[in-house]
Amino acid sequence: GAGVSQSPRYKVAKRGQDVALRCDPISGHVSLFWYQQALGQGPEFLTYFQNEAQLDKSGLPSDRFFAERPEGSVSTLKIQRTQQEDSAVYLCASRGGRPLKHNEQFFGPGTRLTVL
Amino acid sequence: GENVEQHPSTLSVQEGDSAVIKCTYSDSASNYFPWYKQELGKRPQLIIDIRSNVGEKKDQRIAVTLNKTAKHFSLHITETQPEDSAVYFCAASGSYQLTFGKGTKLSVIP
Repeated sequence: GAGVSQSPRYKVAKRGQDVALRCDPISGHVSLFWYQQALGQGPEFLTYFQNEAQLDKSGLPSDRFFAERPEGSVSTLKIQRTQQEDSAVYLCASRGGRPLKHNEQFFGPGTRLTVL
Repeated sequence: GENVEQHPSTLSVQEGDSAVIKCTYSDSASNYFPWYKQELGKRPQLIIDIRSNVGEKKDQRIAVTLNKTAKHFSLHITETQPEDSAVYFCAASGSYQLTFGKGTKLSVIP
């Protein structure tokens, strides 16, 4: 079946622009995660959804970052007034099964954001 | 919060040799330890994972060991092949979020 998909794959923004990154998780997956991966680093946790509820947003770097998953499926990560330090790959992951059971997180291909 | 240290940052081995990557974690509440392989420009893919009630797990050429007392876990790849070349990430989790190490770039020289 289809895996996690993300769009766009690449995004170039001028500093100060707003961007929206989309994630389509695996159908039926309850849990959805966003991670930020800087060049040469491991992914860092941003936020976690269980269905439509955002249960943890402790990793969001600033109030310019906002994520939503209104119908418990597709999620959007929005970054307002982008800054150069926001340049990174943004990875989405989804997970099935019981919410707190350790099942594999399936990652999408990521969106590479470059802020000029 | 959890902190995961990973070593080495780069590793070169001859084809057919073994490769070992080591990680330490800080939070004794962590109980799930996956390893991901990421090829250049691609998504991270799970290669093996271990839960804290198990000390070792093997899947063909790949094995992972866990020492809960020392808060260490390691990835072992035997009979390495050129297609094993990639960046490998360890991670630790206590409930849902994964905390990743900084990665190890493995190069297998034919």
